[in-house]
Order: sequence, then C-alpha cells, then structure tokens
Amino acid sequence: NAGVTQTPKFQVLKTGQSMTLQCAQDMNHNSMYWYRQDPGMGLRLIYYSASEGTTDKGEVPNGYNVSRLNKREFSLRLESAAPSQTSVYFCASRETGQGKTGELFFGEGSRLTVL
Amino acid sequence: GNSVTQMEGPVTLSEEAFLTINCTYTATGYPSLFWYVQYPGEGLQLLLKATKADDKGSNKGFEATYRKETTSFHLEKGSVQVSDSAVYFCALRPGTGRRALTFGSGTRLQVQP
Repeated sequence: NAGVTQTPKFQVLKTGQSMTLQCAQDMNHNSMYWYRQDPGMGLRLIYYSASEGTTDKGEVPNGYNVSRLNKREFSLRLESAAPSQTSVYFCASRETGQGKTGELFFGEGSRLTVL
Repeated sequence: GNSVTQMEGPVTLSEEAFLTINCTYTATGYPSLFWYVQYPGEGLQLLLKATKADDKGSNKGFEATYRKETTSFHLEKGSVQVSDSAVYFCALRPGTGRRALTFGSGTRLQVQP
C-alpha cells in the first residue's frame, strides 16, 4: 500500500550545499513528476518524466536536475542550494494510456529549508 | 499558456454551511479539470474530476460542473463538516501538448464546529 514514497521528509541545507530528493512509486506508472509548493503559488512543475528514459523541463527547472533511474524511481537534485529553493517538494506519478483516469498520485512531501 | 485562478482564502465556515470555492481557467482546446484536496501534513489527493464540457464530477458530497462557456469549475458542497478543513486545489490538464497538470494557488477551508 506504499504508493509514492519520498525521502527525506525534512532537510536543512546551507547555501551552496547539494542534495538529492528520492522518489519511488510501486504502481507501475509510466509518468512521474516533481512539483514545488510555495505559499500563495500553488504547485509548480519543476521537471517531469513521461516514461522511463525521458525527462523534460517544467515551469521552474532552473537550479535543479533530475534522473529517471528506472520505471520506479525519479530523483531531484539540487547542485548548489539557494534560499529561494526553500519549499515543500512533491513527487507524483500517473498512469497513462487509453482508458486510464490520468489521476496523479502524490507523495507526502519533502520540506527543504536552505539557510 | 494554461492557467488556473482560484479564490483567495482562507474560507471560514461554520459546520453545516454551504461551500463554494470558485475556479476559472484559461486553456486552449479541451482540457480535463480536477479538484485535489490536501489535508494537513499530507500530499494531495484527487477529490473529483471532469473530462468534458457539462460533465459533473462528484465525491464525498462535493460537486463541480465543467462549464466551458464560463471557463469555470466551481467546487460546491451542501453541508460542510469540520473534517473537510483542508486546502483545495483546482487543476487542469491540457487536451494536447505537454500533459502535466497546471494547478491553482489553492484555497484553505477552515470549518468551525
């Protein structure tokens, strides 16, 4: 019953440090997404992966990189963290194809603070 | 481009009051429309959806009708409960092109006993 699992749930970084947020889904979904959630701005798409082996930029990709390691896992990397990247990050996955509902399934979020 | 506009919150209601949260959208073509709910400390969950004009999505007493003429997808519930306190997000998925969801800014609902 795991669904979408994100780690870590909380992280504090200093400016310039790097880190990777991990995401794994066990629903055999093709598409995976990384969003950030900021007060008053809703969720904004950082990167997505329509299928294993592909990744594409979303609305706010600057300062981030992603890796679709296999069908289950989609990681988000901050190479040199900045205070503007303080946010709550959500990973999501979606089943695609004819007749599918297209519902997004979300992880519980990772709260990142950059000092 | 695509965008979703929601009413500002927080919305504070007494238990059993009627709820409306307004949502309008801008999109080309024929998007699908969604309402997601986020309870404190959790990720978002799908509440309801509609995939074409005049469709009504419904779940847990909540309803929303896809109105293409007014580009709206307002969320309604006849009688709210304290347990409905959460943040509600309206979202759209374009009918063509990049199919990732575009979200509104969210509306916080607080229901008082």
